[in-house]
Amino acid sequence: AQTVTQSQPEMSVQEAETVTLSCTYDTSESNYYLFWYKQPPSRQMILVIRQEAYKQQNATENRFSVNFQKAAKSFSLKISDSQLGDTAMYFCAFMATTSGTYKYIFGTGTRLKVLA
Amino acid sequence: DTEVTQTPKHLVMGMTNKKSLKCEQHMGHRAMYWYKQKAKKPPELMFVYSYEKLSINESVPSRFSPECPNSSLLNLHLHALQPEDSALYLCASSSYEGGPYGYTFGSGTRLTVV
Repeated sequence: AQTVTQSQPEMSVQEAETVTLSCTYDTSESNYYLFWYKQPPSRQMILVIRQEAYKQQNATENRFSVNFQKAAKSFSLKISDSQLGDTAMYFCAFMATTSGTYKYIFGTGTRLKVLA
Repeated sequence: DTEVTQTPKHLVMGMTNKKSLKCEQHMGHRAMYWYKQKAKKPPELMFVYSYEKLSINESVPSRFSPECPNSSLLNLHLHALQPEDSALYLCASSSYEGGPYGYTFGSGTRLTVV
């Protein structure tokens, strides 16, 4: 069975600094997708970045980048030049399709607070 | 239009009431989802509709009744709820069920059952 683990329940970072949120997962699938979602206090979950497992190149979206280590089953999110608006809950998610059915699993989340 | 719109944003209902949550998207997505989220927890999948047909029901109590009248609209009918059903209810859509591009979420309905 697939699992997603976020070992950091809460983190804080100073504005303009860099922070890394960790995510590990367990799967026997070879083809899958990984996602980071951001949920600010406004409640709406927003897709931040996605990674296809068959791509070795780490995904990047502006100040957000991932460190995808397939062998280690690790998918960390790096936020550069942190801004107050980055304060949110961050969820790592895993998706794989097996025999026509799919599994979409969220981690438990990391609450990030950006300090002024 | 790249949004999922949910109404109402807040709902307070008694345990004997009947109410409905509404979700709408105009992105041409063919899969739509209902999630329940408790405070500081990840979303929990309730239902999946694929091409307007119920694809997944995660053993949700019958007091929750989903409906997909067309490809753009998803409803969740509520009846005889319990206080423990108080939560944030999120609607999401994706290009297709199991699609690799992630979900687009609405901003949710905060439901309080009194």
